[in-house]
Formats: sequence, structure tokens, C-alpha cells
Amino acid sequence: EIVLTQSPATLSLSPGERATLSCRASQSVSSYLAWYQQKPGQAPRLLIYDASNRATGIPARFSGSGSGTDFTLTISSLEPEDFAVYYCQQRSNWPPLTFGQGTRLEIK
Amino acid sequence: QVQLVQSGAEVKKPGASVKVSCKASGYTFTSYDINWVRQATGQGLEWMGWMNPNSGNTGYAQKFQGRVTMTRNTSISTAYMELSSLRSEDTAVYYCASAVAGLLDYWGQGTLVTVSS
Repeated sequence: EIVLTQSPATLSLSPGERATLSCRASQSVSSYLAWYQQKPGQAPRLLIYDASNRATGIPARFSGSGSGTDFTLTISSLEPEDFAVYYCQQRSNWPPLTFGQGTRLEIK
Repeated sequence: QVQLVQSGAEVKKPGASVKVSCKASGYTFTSYDINWVRQATGQGLEWMGWMNPNSGNTGYAQKFQGRVTMTRNTSISTAYMELSSLRSEDTAVYYCASAVAGLLDYWGQGTLVTVSS
């Protein structure tokens, strides 16, 4: 089973700042890495798939990069609605699908 | 538009079973897998398994093998997840999600299952 480790656990930033979230895989997942955003009381929403492709309707301020074992989600300029929990997920070697433990992005 | 609408909250006693439904609309139900993911309060996402609605083929996470069953009724575009031998640790929100090759693109609203004596 591939283990995904996200860092940091919590990120405190202000609106307008740049956010950089990391996800590291225990073995290569090629580019089969997705990012999801989850707000309180809501289901997760797909943001990025295959490491760098934005899902339908996702603003351009969200971008993803990386391959192999190291991945990054970048939010170029934080909007108030971006404060949420972010999860990475791999689909390279499944089942099982696996998720990272999440990064909480909070307002500073 | 694609929608996955899940059944309502459930309260069950330890040892009982629960069956959660997930009704799909806005796309051809048999064209995409349905995956189930759960989330305990304040915790992360945990993948439970997947089902191909066309063939009925399933695959379950090892943790749930023997306790989970995923089925479907194609005539009403609905998938089901049944979890048996419930224990308090199964208290969580259960989500269905449509998927292509493990990419979970649309999610249901979630169903809270509470296990309590």
C-alpha cells in the first residue's frame, strides 16, 4: 500500500498570500496524484488530477506540480474561500486508493 | 449536471448492519465506477472500495473485507454500500463518488452513520 504524507499539518496564512502544500509518496506514483479540497460540512471537491491538471471549473490560482514521489499544490494568491482542508490521493497502484492525512489551511 | 444523492442519516446499534444508497443522475450510470469513502469526525478520508456498475465487479479495502458489500440497481441508477457487524469505530460520514480509474470526480453529499448502544 502506498502511503502519502502531507506537510505541513496546518498552514496559517493571510488572504493574498501564496500557499504551498506538499505531498510525498512512499513509492513512485508517476503522475497519478490528485488534490481535493474539503470545507466544513461538505464533501471533498476535486481540484487537480494527474499532478498538474485543473479539474473543471477550478480557478487558475490553483496549480499542481511534481512527479514520482514529491508533489506540490500551490495557491498563488489566497482568497477567503480557499481556507479549507486539502488532501492528496494516489491512483497509481490500487486498490487500495490512498489519501494523505490532510493539510488544514487556516486564516492567520 | 452530474449529481449523486445519498440516503439520510442512520443510527444503528453495535452488531447491526447499515445500507446506504447513492442515486446517480446527469450521466450514464453504468459508464463510471462508484467508490465509497468514509470520514470519522475530525479525521481524514478512508477509501472503502469500488464497484463497476456495468459488470457489478467490486474491490474492497482489506480492512473491510468480509464486512462490506457494494451492489447496484441499474434500473434506478442507484448504488448501495452495506456494512455489517457495526461497531462504534464505524461512526462516520460515508460518501459515494463517481470515478474513472480511481479518480474521484463527483461526490455525494455524505451520509452520517452513528453506531451507538
